[in-house]
Parts: sequence; structure tokens; C-alpha cells
Amino acid sequence: DAEITQSPRHKITETGRQVTLACHQTWNHNNMFWYRQDLGHGLRLIHYSYGVQDTNKGEVSDGYSVSRSNTEDLPLTLESAASSQTSVYFCASSESGRNGELFFGEGSRLTVL
Amino acid sequence: ILNVEQSPQSLHVQEGDSTNFTCSFPSSNFYALHWYRWETAKSPEALFVMTLNGDEKKKGRISATLNTKEGYSYLYIKGSQPEDSATYLCASAKAAGNKLTFGGGTRVLVKP
Repeated sequence: DAEITQSPRHKITETGRQVTLACHQTWNHNNMFWYRQDLGHGLRLIHYSYGVQDTNKGEVSDGYSVSRSNTEDLPLTLESAASSQTSVYFCASSESGRNGELFFGEGSRLTVL
Repeated sequence: ILNVEQSPQSLHVQEGDSTNFTCSFPSSNFYALHWYRWETAKSPEALFVMTLNGDEKKKGRISATLNTKEGYSYLYIKGSQPEDSATYLCASAKAAGNKLTFGGGTRVLVKP
């Protein structure tokens, strides 16, 4: 069965360190998204991609970057982790040209000390 | 309305009772309205994707309506069961590009 997986599921890091969260989907979807979930804010879009070599900033992109070198993967990098980036991160994908239904990964809980 | 807003933020429902809650979204440049069900410790899962004004969709005891002219959608749960306890998210899209803006969610707790 097709799926979308995130790793690591849990990560504790220190302020200033670089952190990369992986997202891998086997749906062959063109569209991939990274959201963060914080109490009182719901899901907020960090970055998204509509295909290989395409990346776009979302509403809370500062301090984050993504790259899309193939269809399956959209890794999210925190260049210099800050305590404000402690959150649960969700990766999602969707098929182009359809109703846009998102398929979510299981989430990655990141704690920055 | 500039953002997607959901009300109430939380809801306690007695088992067997029916309930409903609201999602408000910008009516300009509307393309689609999504509803997701999000159980604790799991990932959000799509319930409905709605695009047409007046559209109504149903899945079991859960149904949704859409008014694109005034920018709102209702989600209904008929005869609530404990397994309906979850956070229900709505999200709107302004174009076929599938970039969604989510509301803050309505957290539903069904008491046996």
C-alpha cells in the first residue's frame, strides 16, 4: 500500500543545531507540504512543493528550508534550531488535478532545548 | 473574513446526541473546502472535499454542507458515539494548487 512516512518521530536537539526531518511518500504525488502544529494555531504551512525542483514558502517559513530532488522526498531543514521551533511537524502530500485531498504522515515531535 | 475560523473551539456531547459546528472561510477566490478528522496520536484523515455551493456530503453519521457565497460550512454528527471524539479541522483552498489554509479545529468529546 502507498504511504507517507516521517522520520524521526521524536527528536530532541539543542538551540543552534541543524536538524533535518525526513518525509517520504510512495503515492507518486506531485504536491508535498510541511505543516507545524501548535496549541491555539492549528496547522500552519511552512513550505510546499508542486514537483521536482519546485519549492515555495508558506506562512511560517522563516528558519526553515526544503529541497525537492525527487518526487518521493521533501526533507525539512532547520538551519539553526530555536526554542520557538519546538512543535509537532506534519508532512502531507496530494495528487495534482484532483480534489486536493491531503494524505498526512504520522508527525515528528521536535523539542529544542 | 481573512482567515479560516472554526467555532466552537471545543464541544462536549452526550452519547446519542447530535451536534454541529461551523467553519467560516473567505468567500472570494474560493476553490475548495476540506474537512479532516484528527484523532489523538494519529494523523488527520480527510472526511470531505467540497467545491460547489449548496453541496452536501455524507459519510455514515457525519455530514457536511457548504455555502460558498457567504463563506461557511457546517459539519453535523448524528447520534454521537465515543469513537467520534476527535478534533475536526476544516481548510480552504483558493485555487487548484492545493495549498490549504486550516482553521484552528473544533475538539469534540463524546461522553458515554
